Amino acid sequence: AQSVTQLGSHVSVSEGALVLLRCNYSSSVPPYLFWYVQYPNQGLQLLLKYTTGATLVKGINGFEAEFKKSETSFHLTKPSAHMSDAAEYFCAVSEKPGGSYIPTFGRGTSLIVHP
Amino acid sequence: DAGVIQSPRHEVTEMGQEVTLRCKPISGHDYLFWYRQTMMRGLELLIYFNNNVPIDDSGMPEDRFSAKMPNASFSTLKIQPSEPRDSAVYFCASRKWAGETAYGYTFGSGTRLTVV
Repeated sequence: AQSVTQLGSHVSVSEGALVLLRCNYSSSVPPYLFWYVQYPNQGLQLLLKYTTGATLVKGINGFEAEFKKSETSFHLTKPSAHMSDAAEYFCAVSEKPGGSYIPTFGRGTSLIVHP
Repeated sequence: DAGVIQSPRHEVTEMGQEVTLRCKPISGHDYLFWYRQTMMRGLELLIYFNNNVPIDDSGMPEDRFSAKMPNASFSTLKIQPSEPRDSAVYFCASRKWAGETAYGYTFGSGTRLTVV
């Protein structure tokens, strides 16, 4: 069975500071991993994904995440926060039972950016 | 591409009334998903379809909930009768399956349902 744990329901940073959102997963097979972002009153948007290959993946808006198998982690980072990054971020993991790749989402982390 | 289109954006209804939420997936996408988002439970998968066929409805909370996909371009989620605890944001998402590559979902903007 697959599961996702996002550490911290809220993360607060100052504008220009490093953003680090933590995600740990549990999966019985090599996983596919995703980060989604949700802005107020909108649906989730795919930020980046890891399937196979390079473990450091880059996404939109300057975000990147690194797949660390030994730590079962897929933390999301951005070197310098911008006010527009304030949103809810969701980590997701999917396996392949029957080829469906249906992801399990974490509970989300709200990123707050202070001026 | 207009993306996944959901209607209505907001729905306020009285307890006991029937509610129908609508979704138009992206053309060419093979999978359609219905999710419910609440503060208490986060994002819950209710049901998903593959090529218009319901594959897994184990997330549908009760018999009051039903979903259909009569064709590749339209799906509905119906709640009858509605109850205050059904108040949530309901999202529709679609995905194209291509071989072994798992594409991410494309979500609609959601329907905010309030049952009073």
